[in-house]
Amino acid sequence: EPEVTQTPSHQVTQMGQEVILRCVPISNHLYFYWYRQILGQKVEFLVSFYNNEISEKSEIFDDQFSVERPDGSNFTLKIRSTKLEDSAMYFCASTQDTLNYGYTFGSGTRLTVV
Amino acid sequence: AQKVTQAQTEISVVEKEDVTLDCVYETRDTTYYLFWYKQPPSGELVFLIRRNSFDEQNEISGRYSWNFQKSTSSFNFTITASQVVDSAVYFCALKTKGSGTYKYIFGTGTRLKVLA
Repeated sequence: EPEVTQTPSHQVTQMGQEVILRCVPISNHLYFYWYRQILGQKVEFLVSFYNNEISEKSEIFDDQFSVERPDGSNFTLKIRSTKLEDSAMYFCASTQDTLNYGYTFGSGTRLTVV
Repeated sequence: AQKVTQAQTEISVVEKEDVTLDCVYETRDTTYYLFWYKQPPSGELVFLIRRNSFDEQNEISGRYSWNFQKSTSSFNFTITASQVVDSAVYFCALKTKGSGTYKYIFGTGTRLKVLA
């Protein structure tokens, strides 16, 4: 069964450093998302991406965050200058049709900022 | 406002007991979708079920069943004859458009512990 692949599974970074989280969505999917989950809390929407541009972003997704689809397969989330509170599990998701299908989530990247 | 409430933070049951996880949602949209996801200790989100707002038929899949009631804005999930492997955090989610694009709104999750 097709999967959404996220790398790395765990990233430790120093406060203030830039970090890039990588995702390979399912190949025929058109809509891409990033969600995050602070440990023990609920899953929160960060950003949606379609047709090579951001469709919507939450208040969490400030100027420190950016997304990119640099080629036909990867979808990346960049955090420019990490803060301690960015420590969370980051989930990538994709779907082929935002109306009729659920999302397929990746297994997540656990980001730890020290 | 769009919101999902999972009032049960944590539930503990003994293996083979039945357990129901509650989910109440709020939305003004007439078209929306409801989901349940399981998050085992390994952390990934595993899709369990999707219902759309026009389909109130309840569903059974093995030991899992779901009760969707629009009149009470609830989408409850029952596990029959629970097993230790069912131990996980379960998230209810609402997919709705609101004023923007379709996106998920998750509840805070219910941690289910099934004891042997």
